[in-house]
Amino acid sequence: NAGVMQNPRHLVRRRGQEARLRCSPMKGHSHVYWYRQLPEEGLKFMVYLQKENIIDESGMPKERFSAEFPKEGPSILRIQQVVRGDSAAYFCASSPPSLEEQYFGPGTRLTVT
Amino acid sequence: GEDVEQSLFLSVREGDSSVINCTYTDSSSTYLYWYKQEPGAGLQLLTYIFSNMDMKQDQRLTVLLNKKDKHLSLRIADTQTGDSAIYFCALLTGTGRRALTFGSGTRLQVQP
Repeated sequence: NAGVMQNPRHLVRRRGQEARLRCSPMKGHSHVYWYRQLPEEGLKFMVYLQKENIIDESGMPKERFSAEFPKEGPSILRIQQVVRGDSAAYFCASSPPSLEEQYFGPGTRLTVT
Repeated sequence: GEDVEQSLFLSVREGDSSVINCTYTDSSSTYLYWYKQEPGAGLQLLTYIFSNMDMKQDQRLTVLLNKKDKHLSLRIADTQTGDSAIYFCALLTGTGRRALTFGSGTRLQVQP
């Protein structure tokens, strides 16, 4: 059973460009979460999605950030017009129907130059 | 909001026990987790405990929960150099919420 997959692992964008981060949950998991980790800090919750639904986006910045989890395909975290402060590691997690455990992917490290 | 605090650094000798501590403020925490992060990697779920439990043991890992003092600890017995990593405690709080709240992590260094 493959774990949570994220791609790309590393992404470099210039200021003003768009970043698209992808996450494929573990097999059988229909709940996806996105977290952001700034250097030397813990993870901060961004958004929780189920298939075709955003359940909790209380941690998402109000502008430039969006997330989706379509019926088919991976979950996407999209950052428009990136700024230097968006440089961070973005982690995706998924959970089984029991919802007790969240399993994390390897992360996408975004660098904005 | 929830505050979760951990000490930044812990150094132990190989073969000793390590104890990593975590304190929190929200008494409505339902599940409490320990994750391990190695350099450049994602987070590995080590173990978790439900809030109605005091202790959970899993091989070399022992989790202790003191709800009265809002204190969670992770004890690693017979610590090995491969245990060197950053350890995060994380809490699930609030009815129906699925967002984990993380501490800032404790860097464990194991000296050979």
